[in-house]
Amino acid sequence: KAGVTQTPRYLIKTRGQQVTLSCSPISGHRSVSWYQQTPGQGLQFLFEYFSETQRNKGNFPGRFSGRQFSNSRSEMNVSTLELGDSALYLCASSQELAGADTQYFGPGTRLTVL
Amino acid sequence: DAKTTQPNSMESNEEEPVHLPCNHSTISGTDYIHWYRQLPSQGPEYVIHGLTSNVNNRMASLAIAEDRKSSTLILHRATLRDAAVYYCILRGYNAGNMLTFGGGTRLMVKP
Repeated sequence: KAGVTQTPRYLIKTRGQQVTLSCSPISGHRSVSWYQQTPGQGLQFLFEYFSETQRNKGNFPGRFSGRQFSNSRSEMNVSTLELGDSALYLCASSQELAGADTQYFGPGTRLTVL
Repeated sequence: DAKTTQPNSMESNEEEPVHLPCNHSTISGTDYIHWYRQLPSQGPEYVIHGLTSNVNNRMASLAIAEDRKSSTLILHRATLRDAAVYYCILRGYNAGNMLTFGGGTRLMVKP
């Protein structure tokens, strides 16, 4: 099976712009989660989608949003970019919602905001 | 979510066993103990998980204390490829897929 794929891998934007990142989960996986990783804050949970519904949301401003499509692919959007949004954005997929379920991470999208 | 405490860093020699500790004194009865690791320039990858009993897989072993307030990830023979940040994470049975990452333990493996 192909792993989790994220596009693009690298992105450079300027302050005030908006950006859309894409994640394709492993085939058959219905849950997609997004994380932000920065040197200062580490790995932080953004949100989680299961069967097109947002199930959980982390403590991020409303500029961060996401959605999931019927084929389980997911996108996250960040509007009005700030310098502090520079980070590695990771997507993870899993089959179900149970606490024992394994999550599979993609390689991430490296976003640089200038 | 209950918190976990891990040492910031550990060092090991290649081909020797490594024991990575994790304290989780506020763990609840339905919390699973998960371990993930993140190799340089990669996304985290699953290592192992358990509930009450010790677990083994091809990557590692997980030893869980009888009172479940601590656990140890055991790499039986460390290789240079095992140099990574190791995260110990608790997940509730019905908590969905949100993972709460702490600082993890940075494992350095010396040749």
